Amino acid sequence: KQEVTQIPAALSVPEGENLVLNCSFTDSAIYNLQWFRQDPGKGLTSLLLIQSSQREQTSGRLNASLDKSSGRSTLYIAASQPGDSATYLCAVSFVGGGSRLTFGEGTQLTVNP
Amino acid sequence: GAGVSQTPSNKVTEKGKYVELRCDPISGHTALYWYRQSLGQGPEFLIYFQGTGAADDSGLPNDRFFAVRPEGSVSTLKIQRTERGDSAVYLCASSLSGLWDRVLGRGNEQFFGPGTRLTVL
Repeated sequence: KQEVTQIPAALSVPEGENLVLNCSFTDSAIYNLQWFRQDPGKGLTSLLLIQSSQREQTSGRLNASLDKSSGRSTLYIAASQPGDSATYLCAVSFVGGGSRLTFGEGTQLTVNP
Repeated sequence: GAGVSQTPSNKVTEKGKYVELRCDPISGHTALYWYRQSLGQGPEFLIYFQGTGAADDSGLPNDRFFAVRPEGSVSTLKIQRTERGDSAVYLCASSLSGLWDRVLGRGNEQFFGPGTRLTVL
């Protein structure tokens, strides 16, 4: 079964700290992987999309890496700010999974001022 | 430009009633997706449209759920005889292209709307 897991479920850090969110997936045959941010009561905001052929993508203070062979992706957030507080979701487009995204359950991040 | 929009933002209904949820995708996006998100969970796939046709409806939980996209733009998710277990946030997403572009490595970022929170009493 194609599944996505995110660890930890919740994370609390002081402002300014660099942090890493983890995502693992059960099948290395993927088309792409997407990281999202979700604020309470809101929809999903796309942060980064990594194609199967890529190893990493960067946007501002965010860097996402992809290691297909080990079924892992990490989202690195540099110099965290209170405004980064949100739930971060990892989603994978699996080969054989049609066009759907399969989501992890998310990591709830709190950055304390 | 305008993003994906969904109406209504909130819908409260009684058990057994019929509801319709609307999604307006980003202009020019040929692919449209519906997902459902329960509290504390990640979204779960329901159905995918490529143009006017439902290319993959394998995520619909049962035959009370149905969706249409008659002109290849706006989509409506329809739920008959609602049950309390249908309560969730229903998310719509669109992308510029569909499966073949994904296969060719050109995919296929999905952009999500704000969702409709459905509460069945």
